[in-house]
Amino acid sequence: AQTVTQSQPEMSVQEAETVTLSCTYDTSESNYYLFWYKQPPSRQMILVIRQEAYKQQNATENRFSVNFQKAAKSFSLKISDSQLGDTAMYFCAFMNLNGANSKLTFGKGITLSVRP
Amino acid sequence: EPEVTQTPSHQVTQMGQEVILRCVPISNHLYFYWYRQILGQKVEFLVSFYNNEISEKSEIFDDQFSVERPDGSNFTLKIRSTKLEDSAMYFCASSLGPGEEQYFGPGTRLTVT
Repeated sequence: AQTVTQSQPEMSVQEAETVTLSCTYDTSESNYYLFWYKQPPSRQMILVIRQEAYKQQNATENRFSVNFQKAAKSFSLKISDSQLGDTAMYFCAFMNLNGANSKLTFGKGITLSVRP
Repeated sequence: EPEVTQTPSHQVTQMGQEVILRCVPISNHLYFYWYRQILGQKVEFLVSFYNNEISEKSEIFDDQFSVERPDGSNFTLKIRSTKLEDSAMYFCASSLGPGEEQYFGPGTRLTVT
C-alpha cells in the first residue's frame, strides 16, 4: 500500500516571496504519478502540477515547480512570487500506474497562508 | 472548458435516511471516482468505476454504499441508512483513462443530523 506524508500542517509566506511545501511518499511500485492539488476555501480540488516518476526532469507550471527526488521518495512543491490567491490547502497525491486502477492517495494536506 | 458538476451542493439528512449524490462527469471520460473528505481531514478514495462496474473500492465503501451510472451522463453515489460519521464533503472525479488526470467536481457537503 502507498502512503503519502505531509508533515507540515501549515505554513505562511509573504506575498511575492517563495515557499516550498514538503511531501514524502512510500511505495514499492516503479511506475507512478505524483500530484499537487490546491483546495481553496471554496473546497474545489484543483490540479496544480503533475510529475511522472519515469521522468527525471522536474515538472514546472508557471510559478509552480517541483523538486522530485525519486530515490529519497520526496516530492516538494515550490511556489514562486506567491500571490494572495495562492492561499489554500495543498494536498500531495500519489497514483499507481500498474494495473487498471488509478485511485489517488492523498496526504493530510498543508494550509498555506499568503500574507499581504 | 468542460467540467465535472455535482448536485446538490449541500444535503442535510437525518440519521438512518438514504441519500443519493449526483455527478455529471466530463462527457468523453470513461473512468469515474468518488472521494470523501471529513472536515479538516485528508481526501479519501471511496470507489472507482469503469465500464459499468466497480473497478476498485476502499474499506470505507461497505454495503452501505453503492454507485450507479443510470444513463449516459450521470454517476451517482447512494448511501443507505446514513450515520453521523458519514457527514463529509463528497467529491466526484472523472478521467479519460487510468493514469490520466482526474478532474474533480465542486463537491457535495453532506450533513447527517
